[in-house]
Amino acid sequence: AQSVTQLDSQVPVFEEAPVELRCNYSSSVSVYLFWYVQYPNQGLQLLLKYLSGSTLVKSINGFEAEFNKSQTSFHLRKPSVHISDTAEYFCAVSDLGANNLFFGTGTRLTVIP
Amino acid sequence: DAGVIQSPRHEVTEMGQEVTLRCKLISGHNSLFWYRQTMMRGLELLIYFNNNVPIDDSGMPEDRFSAKMPNASFSTLKIQPSEPRDSAVYFCASREQGLNTEAFFGQGTRLTVV
Repeated sequence: AQSVTQLDSQVPVFEEAPVELRCNYSSSVSVYLFWYVQYPNQGLQLLLKYLSGSTLVKSINGFEAEFNKSQTSFHLRKPSVHISDTAEYFCAVSDLGANNLFFGTGTRLTVIP
Repeated sequence: DAGVIQSPRHEVTEMGQEVTLRCKLISGHNSLFWYRQTMMRGLELLIYFNNNVPIDDSGMPEDRFSAKMPNASFSTLKIQPSEPRDSAVYFCASREQGLNTEAFFGQGTRLTVV
């Protein structure tokens, strides 16, 4: 069985400061990895994904995540956060060869003015 | 396309009543996921379908829950009888079958069982 662990349930950070949201997964097979963002009272939206190739992937709004196979991690980072980044962030994993999609418990990012 | 459409957006019902949540997939998508979101347990995968066929329902909490896809574009999640601990936000998501495609989520149904 696979699982996704997001160790930090809440992360407060000051505006323009850097942030890292941690994600670790466990799986016996190769995986694809995703980060989704959920704004209040909305569904989840894809932020970025790792499928293959370069282990560093980036989103259009300045977030990036790096796939580390040896550490089974896919941490999300942003060098300078904005108030508008306040949201809940979910890490997700799909097993290679299966059309499943499992999520972590989420990290609530709060950007403080 | 209007995206994944869920109805109703909010549902308040009494314990013991039957509840049916509905989901319309994006046209052309052939995979459908149902999730339940609570503060305590986060986002739980309940069941998913490929081409109208249930693939994995191991996340369905108990026999009171059932899900169907009567056609390629529509799904229902039914709870009978409902209990207060079923209160949560229920999301459905759809995508084209294949691991490199994005899953699109509906706005969710907030269920309150009193």
